[in-house]
Amino acid sequence: AQSVSQHNHHVILSEAASLELGCNYSYGGTVNLFWYVQYPGQHLQLLLKYFSGDPLVKGIKGFEAEFIKSKFSFNLRKPSVQWSDTAEYFCAVMDTDKLIFGTGTRLQVFP
Amino acid sequence: DGGITQSPKYLFRKEGQNVTLSCEQNLNHDAMYWYRQDPGQGLRLIYYSQIVNDFQKGDIAEGYSVSREKKESFPLTVTSAQKNPTAFYLCASRPNLGSNQPQHFGDGTRLSIL
Repeated sequence: AQSVSQHNHHVILSEAASLELGCNYSYGGTVNLFWYVQYPGQHLQLLLKYFSGDPLVKGIKGFEAEFIKSKFSFNLRKPSVQWSDTAEYFCAVMDTDKLIFGTGTRLQVFP
Repeated sequence: DGGITQSPKYLFRKEGQNVTLSCEQNLNHDAMYWYRQDPGQGLRLIYYSQIVNDFQKGDIAEGYSVSREKKESFPLTVTSAQKNPTAFYLCASRPNLGSNQPQHFGDGTRLSIL
């Protein structure tokens, strides 16, 4: 079965810093990949998704992710973070009609 | 507005008691899911259902039970056999089987042991 690794458990940044959160999945073939965000006290929201085509995917709120098949990776990036980006971020891969999630990365952005 | 409704938002359980968490969706989605969220462990799949009257165990099904008698409803029962039930429980749904559509999530139910 698929598994997902998120290597950064807790990231602390100042506003305007650049962000990259790592995500690796366990095996290749055709993969459907997702990044979800959970703002404090809110439900999980979809940031972006990759199914096929251009490996650079743009999502909401200025986030993007790059699918690198050779590295089994789908890292999330944002050039300049804001205080409002403080949240928990989850990478996920679709495995036979169910989503498998990573353990999440808690991002704290300080003004 | 279409969405997923989980109730209650907060739930307290006494030792040895079964409790049932409600999940209702009006999105006409075929598939529904229950996850458990614990700090540092992400979301772990408890049970999922791809069609009415059918469901499958996820990674941590022990101590839980579900039913899927209606397309829009997928209640989760936390039984007394679940020794560590304190967690945040999330329900999700997704459209047609085999589609590559993402899951939609409810607001969650936080369960605590008295």
